[in-house]
Amino acid sequence: DAGVIQSPRHEVTEMGQEVTLRCKPISGHDYLFWYRQTMMRGLELLIYFNNNVPIDDSGMPEDRFSAKMPNASFSTLKIQPSEPRDSAVYFCASSLRGWNIQYFGAGTRLSVL
Amino acid sequence: KQEVTQIPAALSVPEGENLVLNCSFTDSAIYNLQWFRQDPGKGLTSLLLIQSSQREQTSGRLNASLDKSSGRSTLYIAASQPGDSATYLCSLVGAGGTSYGKLTFGQGTILTVHP
Repeated sequence: DAGVIQSPRHEVTEMGQEVTLRCKPISGHDYLFWYRQTMMRGLELLIYFNNNVPIDDSGMPEDRFSAKMPNASFSTLKIQPSEPRDSAVYFCASSLRGWNIQYFGAGTRLSVL
Repeated sequence: KQEVTQIPAALSVPEGENLVLNCSFTDSAIYNLQWFRQDPGKGLTSLLLIQSSQREQTSGRLNASLDKSSGRSTLYIAASQPGDSATYLCSLVGAGGTSYGKLTFGQGTILTVHP
């Protein structure tokens, strides 16, 4: 398996633009997690899905953030409108049967100017 | 609210030395604790996962212990190598109260092993 695949690897956009980050989990994994990592706040869990259903989105910072998982092999994290304080590295991870070993993607480095 | 603290924040050691990284947490009601490694510009790689009912896990030169009563976990690295240089993070999943089902990461320890 190729592991968790995230795209794009880097994204530079201007304030106010819509940003969509993509994730393909490991085939067969039933949990998918979205994280954000910054120097100031470290690594934070934003939202996670079980069998394509959002379970806990309490980490989503505000309404500008939304995440979807239309099928078992694809998820998106969308920011609309983007702001400079959203600049961070966003990671996607997947696991089998819940809080077991999580496999991380390489991340998307987002810069909002 | 669960708080996870990792000490030291940074550590520099000569090759071959045995070392210990520390992780402490405030709420002992946890589901599991996991140690990760992160290389610069990369994602996280899981090293060891300790379930709540376990006391330790071992993989090669790595040994992780868990003491829930004292709210502590340690990651022991034997015979360190330059390739061990990375940031090491601990994370845990809460199992009680307001921390139930919540995953919390520490800020990490930056390890440098010099030849």
